[in-house]
Amino acid sequence: DVKVTQSSRYLVKRTGEKVFLECVQDMDHENMFWYRQDPGLGLRLIYFSYDVKMKEKGDIPEGYSVSREKKERFSLILESASTNQTSMYLCASSLIDRGPEKLFFGSGTQLSVL
Amino acid sequence: AQTVTQSQPEMSVQEAETVTLSCTYDTSESDYYLFWYKQPPSRQMILVIRQEAYKQQNATENRFSVNFQKAAKSFSLKISDSQLGDAAMYFCAYRVRGNKLVFGAGTILRVKS
Repeated sequence: DVKVTQSSRYLVKRTGEKVFLECVQDMDHENMFWYRQDPGLGLRLIYFSYDVKMKEKGDIPEGYSVSREKKERFSLILESASTNQTSMYLCASSLIDRGPEKLFFGSGTQLSVL
Repeated sequence: AQTVTQSQPEMSVQEAETVTLSCTYDTSESDYYLFWYKQPPSRQMILVIRQEAYKQQNATENRFSVNFQKAAKSFSLKISDSQLGDAAMYFCAYRVRGNKLVFGAGTILRVKS
């Protein structure tokens, strides 16, 4: 089975801290994604990457950056955490688009910024 | 912009009964894919069912089926013989070929025993 692993299930950080959320997948998927999930808003795409060192902005990239130095790892970086970045963060991966490919998700990181 | 609307924030169903979750989407594309994902309390997103827009036949996976109305841009999920394990948040999602997945706001499904 494909496994997408997020390094932390729960994380508490202070305003202004630099925060790293790590995601690793073990199935050699080309595509990787970072979503945030908020009540009433569903999942919104922050960034995605379709290859090593490639990245594209999603719908809400402000305040975030990403890094993909290796194919299996996709990191989300909050340069200076703010309280409005308190949210559930979900990482996902998929094969490069060949049709209705499904996404494989990690179990999420619940981030609280105090 | 592509949007996905789930108009029911919460739904309840009695065990063994049938429930339908609604989803509408907005697109000008003709070739796209639609998905229903389930998120139980474990937070692990699970693909329930998917539909290719060019296929007129509604997708079915065991107790789960969809009613895909392309002209109306509607993609509802029917769960038959509901079980306690079906209780979860359900997300409808849409994707154009080669592009990103866009999700709706979700519907919480509660199953009563």
